[in-house]
Amino acid sequence: QSALTQPASVSGSPGQSITISCSGTRSDVGSYNLVSWYQQHPGKAPKLIIYEGSERPSGVSNRFSGSKSGNTASLTISGLQAEDEADYHCCAYAGGTTYVLFGGGTKVTVL
Amino acid sequence: QVQLQESGPGLVKPSQTLSLTCTVSGGSISSGGYYWSWIRQHPGRGLEWIGFIYYSGSTYYNPSLKSRLTISMDTSKTQFSLRLNSVTAADTAVYYCARDRDGNNAFDMWGQGTMVTVSA
Repeated sequence: QSALTQPASVSGSPGQSITISCSGTRSDVGSYNLVSWYQQHPGKAPKLIIYEGSERPSGVSNRFSGSKSGNTASLTISGLQAEDEADYHCCAYAGGTTYVLFGGGTKVTVL
Repeated sequence: QVQLQESGPGLVKPSQTLSLTCTVSGGSISSGGYYWSWIRQHPGRGLEWIGFIYYSGSTYYNPSLKSRLTISMDTSKTQFSLRLNSVTAADTAVYYCARDRDGNNAFDMWGQGTMVTVSA
């Protein structure tokens, strides 16, 4: 099964909102509400910021929100801040013998 | 606070076996509910799930790596390990160990990552 599809880059100005898409298929994103999102700063390990599609772990800013429509999941960052500049990765449960798929990652730039 | 730490050689020769260990501190890997995972990231690219092992010892592997892959655990040492056989340059990557809480595809704890280069 192929990786999930994310845009290579998204940019926005401070204070704006941006949305990152994560396109899958009916076999993964479309079938399960088990999409997670990770923030990764350069040289650091990924950090979980959204799980089960729209849930935030304790301590994660409510400026991060997740949603899903059909086979596409989305991460929205509202009130964009300089510290949000990072790579963002989506991840979906795919069931069967594939189990877990990641997207290619999206680089967010704060202008 | 649970912490994960990868260890192992940073350089492996082609056709040899890549072996890494993840040491879990601050918690037990033999208690239920967690899937102990390996994930890698090729230079400048996205993440790739390698596989995980459940506390019971059951293993789940990425189909593209399954024929070369073994994940095991040593509960007495609170460690789990990765062995990848017959490596090539395509296996050069940063390797992370991580914890999936409840098998709900939420990797909530990660090691710092270790770079492994496959080269003669």
